[in-house]
Amino acid sequence: GENVEQHPSTLSVQEGDSAVIKCTYSDSASNYFPWYKQELGKRPQLIIDIRSNVGEKKDQRIAVTLNKTAKHFSLHITETQPEDSAVYFCAASTGTSYGKLTFGQGTILTVHP
Amino acid sequence: GAVVSQHPSWVICKSGTSVKIECRSLDFQATTMFWYRQFPKQSLMLMATSNEGSKATYEQGVEKDKFLINHASLTLSTLTVTSAHPEDSSFYICSAGGGSEQFFGPGTRLTVL
Repeated sequence: GENVEQHPSTLSVQEGDSAVIKCTYSDSASNYFPWYKQELGKRPQLIIDIRSNVGEKKDQRIAVTLNKTAKHFSLHITETQPEDSAVYFCAASTGTSYGKLTFGQGTILTVHP
Repeated sequence: GAVVSQHPSWVICKSGTSVKIECRSLDFQATTMFWYRQFPKQSLMLMATSNEGSKATYEQGVEKDKFLINHASLTLSTLTVTSAHPEDSSFYICSAGGGSEQFFGPGTRLTVL
């Protein structure tokens, strides 16, 4: 089955800095890669996603890049703010957005004011 | 976006009892729903895929006789934890595909004493 590795497990930055989280996946058939933000005790919230026919996608301060050859994808957050502090998960799916998701281990992002 | 609800949001039970958790898609129909379990400071682990009108598909290592799933309608899936024990204490989250993404329920915190 699919295996998703996520690094780093913790990331601490100063407000205004950029943050980068990286994930690798094992199944070359995976074609949907969402990123979720989860606050303590809450449900995961989709922040951005990318499909295998696209190399990069950006939404304001958040961007995701995908390298299908290397089987890795990354989340980039620019101009970080304290409210960006949360746990971030990457995931991969071989189906559509309706397919089952395999999650990475998560990254605890702390943005210091 | 689409809304997925869960009930109850939290439950405390004694060891040996059974607990039922409901997952509803409020404004869309979902032929497939997913059940995840999340232990503290860990990632979401897929337990099973719930299919409307048919048997659920369980992930390797998940006891189907302990975690009973019923997807009786296009808007409701239930997870019953039978003979719960303290090690079953966890955060249980369901999800359903709607539109172009998966939507997660708010989760159910189960504590088994």
